[in-house]
Amino acid sequence: QVQLQESGPGLAKPSETLSLTCTVSGGSISTDFWSWIRQPPGKGLEWIGYIYYSRGTNYNPSHNYNPSLKSRVTISADTSKNQFSLKLTSVTAADTAVYYCARATGLVDPFDSWGQGALVTVSS
Amino acid sequence: DIVMTQSADSLAVSLGERATINCKSSQSVLYSINNKNYLAWYQQKPGQPPKLLISWASTRESGVPDRFSGSGSGTDFTLTISSLQTEDVAVYYCQQYSSSPFTFGPGTKVDIK
Repeated sequence: QVQLQESGPGLAKPSETLSLTCTVSGGSISTDFWSWIRQPPGKGLEWIGYIYYSRGTNYNPSHNYNPSLKSRVTISADTSKNQFSLKLTSVTAADTAVYYCARATGLVDPFDSWGQGALVTVSS
Repeated sequence: DIVMTQSADSLAVSLGERATINCKSSQSVLYSINNKNYLAWYQQKPGQPPKLLISWASTRESGVPDRFSGSGSGTDFTLTISSLQTEDVAVYYCQQYSSSPFTFGPGTKVDIK
């Protein structure tokens, strides 16, 4: 059974970069689709983007980002550590949220495994 | 983007009674090629991540009690809890995964009356 665990600083300063890492166990990030999803306190869920490895691209990672965040988001992966990461630049208070990493087994599949979430507060 | 709406922000139901949660998508999430609805339901309890309950609009995930059922097609969907239990108190979200960006409904909070 795949397990995901987010880690990273719980505080980011306005205009700086938010960085989080998701460590995957019980599965390989070289397969499946690995997403970041966030939830502002007391609010709903927003998909940020995903990374996946396609055999058709010689196992180079591909990405898909939510257009609402695309200009500020980078998702990368380290297959040797079975981790993938999120960077969100130029953060403001509106980026304060619990950030979840999650897995989908296919391009158009639901998120069947989630991490516990990491609260990141943007404040000076 | 496909916008997901849920008809109620919250509802309160007596223990053992039926709870019905409605979800609507701004575009059809039914693919005629395979006749599948790309619609999921999640349950989120306080301090926990969302848990996938139902995929493909009506397929219960392994281990999900059979009092949970999903129905609907195209743009209109329903999650039904046939006999509400105390452990079902949670927020329920629908989500479309037919096209990117994947989007969620605003959530419906279910409480005991």
